[in-house]
Amino acid sequence: AQSVAQPEDQVNVAEGNPLTVKCTYSVSGNPYLFWYVQYPNRGLQFLLKYITGDNLVKGSYGFEAEFNKSQTSFHLKKPSALVSDSALYFCAVREREKGNKLVFGAGTILRVKS
Amino acid sequence: EPEVTQTPSHQVTQMGQEVILRCVPISNHLYFYWYRQILGQKVEFLVSFYNNEISEKSEIFDDQFSVERPDGSNFTLKIRSTKLEDSAMYFCASSGSSGAVDTQYFGPGTRLTVL
Repeated sequence: AQSVAQPEDQVNVAEGNPLTVKCTYSVSGNPYLFWYVQYPNRGLQFLLKYITGDNLVKGSYGFEAEFNKSQTSFHLKKPSALVSDSALYFCAVREREKGNKLVFGAGTILRVKS
Repeated sequence: EPEVTQTPSHQVTQMGQEVILRCVPISNHLYFYWYRQILGQKVEFLVSFYNNEISEKSEIFDDQFSVERPDGSNFTLKIRSTKLEDSAMYFCASSGSSGAVDTQYFGPGTRLTVL
């Protein structure tokens, strides 16, 4: 069965510093991987996805993520954090050729302080 | 930019009552989904819908749940006899196709409170 782990409930970073939000996954086959962000009282907003090809994926708002097959990880990164990046971040996996459902991690709260 | 919309934003109901949650997916999308998030827990898949039928459903999606696309724009989730444990945020999502590169876009959610 597919699963996603986000080992940190919360990540704190100072504005201007690089940030990393961790995600590891478990699937029996090949994954499609996604990051979503949720602001208070808003839905899940798509940030980026890995389908195939280049392991480094660039997405919205300056975020990027690196797919690492050997470590089964898909960590979200940003070179310079903004206070406005503070939100709840979800990693999700979809297993190829096993339907469309997304399996989500528990979410990581990112707090960026000025 | 097109977006998924959901109504109502908050629904309060008594246990045993029927509720219908409504969604308007992105207009040219073909696949529709419901997910839910119980407070403090993960976002969980409920059901996917394509070509006027359920294409996949989870164990959560039992006989008290049903989905429908009554017209060309709305996608609804009905809970026939609500239970306390149905209290959650319900998210609708849509995608253009089941293709490998497709992304699911989510609505803002409906918070269902069962008393």
